[in-house]
Amino acid sequence: DAGVTQSPTHLIKTRGQQVTLRCSPKSGHDTVSWYQQALGQGPQFIFQYYEEEERQRGNFPDRFSGHQFPNYSSELNVNALLLGDSALYLCASREGGLAKNIQYFGAGTRLSVL
Amino acid sequence: AQSVAQPEDQVNVAEGNPLTVKCTYSVSGNPYLFWYVQYPNRGLQFLLKYITGDNLVKGSYGFEAEFNKSQTSFHLKKPSALVSDSALYFCAVRDSNDYKLSFGAGTTVTVRA
Repeated sequence: DAGVTQSPTHLIKTRGQQVTLRCSPKSGHDTVSWYQQALGQGPQFIFQYYEEEERQRGNFPDRFSGHQFPNYSSELNVNALLLGDSALYLCASREGGLAKNIQYFGAGTRLSVL
Repeated sequence: AQSVAQPEDQVNVAEGNPLTVKCTYSVSGNPYLFWYVQYPNRGLQFLLKYITGDNLVKGSYGFEAEFNKSQTSFHLKKPSALVSDSALYFCAVRDSNDYKLSFGAGTTVTVRA
């Protein structure tokens, strides 16, 4: 059983560019969340998708957007990249029901903005 | 609002000694509490959770944690640390009325042989 998979593993972009990160949830999971982990910090919640809708959003600007597909996979898009967007981006998935509260994380995408 | 504090940036212990990593939290509703571990260049691995019930929860790799409601704490413990336990540990909380996880800044654990 594959866990949460993310692609690409590493990415280098320049300021002002746009980037798309991808996530496939763990089998049987229908809820996907995205987190940003800057160097030396804990992960920060970006947003969560459930039933192809953004269910909750953290304190991130509109440059950060996402999408969830019918197969529950998800994309994170970041426009007009800033140097401060350099970070490890983590995707997490879980079953939507309240009884299943564990979020399982992928290995992340390391984004470097030059 | 919800938040987590991990007061120690680093914890150093000798192999075979007990290991404790501290965590305190703040939520407006009921807390759902989690510990994750992160190895270099890896994602977060789930260790254990407290949702409700027994205050002492046991998790993977011999780790356990004790929920203390009056002190709003959820400290991670291991009776006998291994060198392989050296990693970055994160405490996280989710308010029962919320969907997001809020993480602490992390504690780097170093176990020396």
